[in-house]
Amino acid sequence: DAGVIQSPRHEVTEMGQEVTLRCKPISGHDYLFWYRQTMMRGLELLIYFNNNVPIDDSGMPEDRFSAKMPNASFSTLKIQPSEPRDSAVYFCASRATKGRNYNSPLHFGNGTRLTVT
Amino acid sequence: GQNIDQPTEMTATEGAIVQINCTYQTSGFNGLFWYQQHAGEAPTFLSYNVLDGLEEKGRFSSFLSRSKGYSYLLLKELQMKDSASYLCAVRDSGWDDYKLSFGAGTTVTVRA
Repeated sequence: DAGVIQSPRHEVTEMGQEVTLRCKPISGHDYLFWYRQTMMRGLELLIYFNNNVPIDDSGMPEDRFSAKMPNASFSTLKIQPSEPRDSAVYFCASRATKGRNYNSPLHFGNGTRLTVT
Repeated sequence: GQNIDQPTEMTATEGAIVQINCTYQTSGFNGLFWYQQHAGEAPTFLSYNVLDGLEEKGRFSSFLSRSKGYSYLLLKELQMKDSASYLCAVRDSGWDDYKLSFGAGTTVTVRA
């Protein structure tokens, strides 16, 4: 099992530039989540998808953030334009709904550390 | 809003026991999770409680009291590799929804 794969691992960009983060969930998982982690705010849910459909994007900070899931094996989180306050570790996670098993946990990728200067 | 509280830091000696408490006030409840996160790494799942009581998994146990909005994670026979941040997370969504709200995490340092 390859696990959740995120790219890039590190991204350094200048304020105003567009940033695209990528995620490949575990095969067969029907939920995909984007989280952001900072020292100040901890782990925050940005958006999540079920069967490629966005279910809840209430955590997306503002219109500069957008996320897509064109198919079951790929998702992107885009920030345009980026700002220094967007600097954080962005995690993608997936989970499988096995019948009505609510025990199935999130499986996190290794994250993308974003630095906006 | 969601309110999940955990102590910021705890220190313990190798071989000892440490208990990490978590209290929560959320709009709904459909389970409580504990995750472990080593520095610079992704969170990994440790345990899950949806009913009151104790769940034991090897050296780790987790307890839940829904009426008190309270959980704890018990780490026994501490090892140096247990030094990490421990995150309490509540699934506060409805039956067909899945949103986890995380606490800020408790950093546990294990000393020799």
